Amino acid sequence: EDKVVQSPLSLVVHEGDTVTLNCSYEVTNFRSLLWYKQEKKAPTFLFMLTSSGIEKKSGRLSSILDKKELFSILNITATQTGDSAIYLCAVEPSSNTGKLIFGQGTTLQVKP
Amino acid sequence: NAGVTQTPKFQVLKTGQSMTLQCAQDMNHNSMYWYRQDPGMGLRLIYYSASEGTTDKGEVPNGYNVSRLNKREFSLRLESAAPSQTSVYFCASRGGLAGALSIYNEQFFGPGTRLTVL
Repeated sequence: EDKVVQSPLSLVVHEGDTVTLNCSYEVTNFRSLLWYKQEKKAPTFLFMLTSSGIEKKSGRLSSILDKKELFSILNITATQTGDSAIYLCAVEPSSNTGKLIFGQGTTLQVKP
Repeated sequence: NAGVTQTPKFQVLKTGQSMTLQCAQDMNHNSMYWYRQDPGMGLRLIYYSASEGTTDKGEVPNGYNVSRLNKREFSLRLESAAPSQTSVYFCASRGGLAGALSIYNEQFFGPGTRLTVL
């Protein structure tokens, strides 16, 4: 059975800290891995990763994929209170459907 | 562009009542999806429509039905609501051709419907 596991499930840090969120997966015929940020409402897209070792960056956020060890990490440097959210990892197995399998999410709280 | 819209935003039902959640997208996307989100469980796929005219079950389809009315609209129906269906429901859409790996692969989500079944 395909599955995606995120860790930690929750995290509390102070502004300025650096955090690393983990996502491991077991899927048949991996196609891509996606990270989303969810604040009060809908998840918003952060990154899509398809190849090992290529870092994706957007401001203070970065992510990398290891297809051999079947995991991805999401790094946030110099955290701000606005980074407080649920971070969701999802994997798309190779198929003609575009279905995503989501992990449980990591709830990040950044304190002033 | 409004993106993905959902109605209603909130709904309270009694056990056994029925209702339909509406979803529409104006991005000319081929694929559409319905998820439910419960605390500590991430998003779980209920049903999806990979292209207009097709629908398929996801991970948790029991108690739900869907209709892909046209390319824009994808509705989710609860025929006889149960307390276990209390959840936040998200609709999503995805561009590109089904099965194509492209930079347009991410799913775009609607604002969600918070449903409570008493």
